[in-house]
Amino acid sequence: GESVGLHLPTLSVQEGDNSIINCAYSNSASDYFIWYKQESGKGPQFIIDIRSNMDKRQGQRVTVLLNKTVKHLSLQIAATQPGDSAVYFCAEPGSSNTGKLIFGQGTTLQVKP
Amino acid sequence: NAGVMQNPRHLVRRRGQEARLRCSPMKGHSHVYWYRQLPEEGLKFMVYLQKENIIDESGMPKERFSAEFPKEGPSILRIQQVVRGDSAAYFCASSPTMGQGETQYFGPGTRLLVL
Repeated sequence: GESVGLHLPTLSVQEGDNSIINCAYSNSASDYFIWYKQESGKGPQFIIDIRSNMDKRQGQRVTVLLNKTVKHLSLQIAATQPGDSAVYFCAEPGSSNTGKLIFGQGTTLQVKP
Repeated sequence: NAGVMQNPRHLVRRRGQEARLRCSPMKGHSHVYWYRQLPEEGLKFMVYLQKENIIDESGMPKERFSAEFPKEGPSILRIQQVVRGDSAAYFCASSPTMGQGETQYFGPGTRLLVL
């Protein structure tokens, strides 16, 4: 079946350093990927997305990289701040055309002051 | 510009009772998705609705769970005869149209605790 997985459950970084959160997906036909941030007690918040016709997309302090050859997705956060502490999920629509999302298990990012 | 609204934010029920969770999508959005999140896990899709129609309920448990999105009013996720295993956070998301590539915006969730 389809699955989306993350490589590490917890990532601890020093404030000011760059963070890299990884994600693997299994459906080679997936053509759209999204990163969400979930702070404690809140709903997932959209961060950035990327379509399969791109291999890189940049936002404000965040960059998403897509490697379709190895079915790997990463989220890079520059100059990590305490407010970045949260659980990060990658998600993709899978084989459905209704848009329902398949989420990975999540990586907890801890930012040390 | 209100986002997705969910209520109640916290709900406590005893085993056997009914739980009703409400979701009001963002203004202008007519597509609603429900997801369930167990502790320490990712979100799992439950059901996708448009106004007055269930489009995809492939993630809904076969019994006790139902959902609706009436022409007027919020979407409702209903759990009958709750059991302890139903304890979870239930999130609603909305989008303006259907399909891949449409960003889904999530509400704050309803945390259901079954005693």
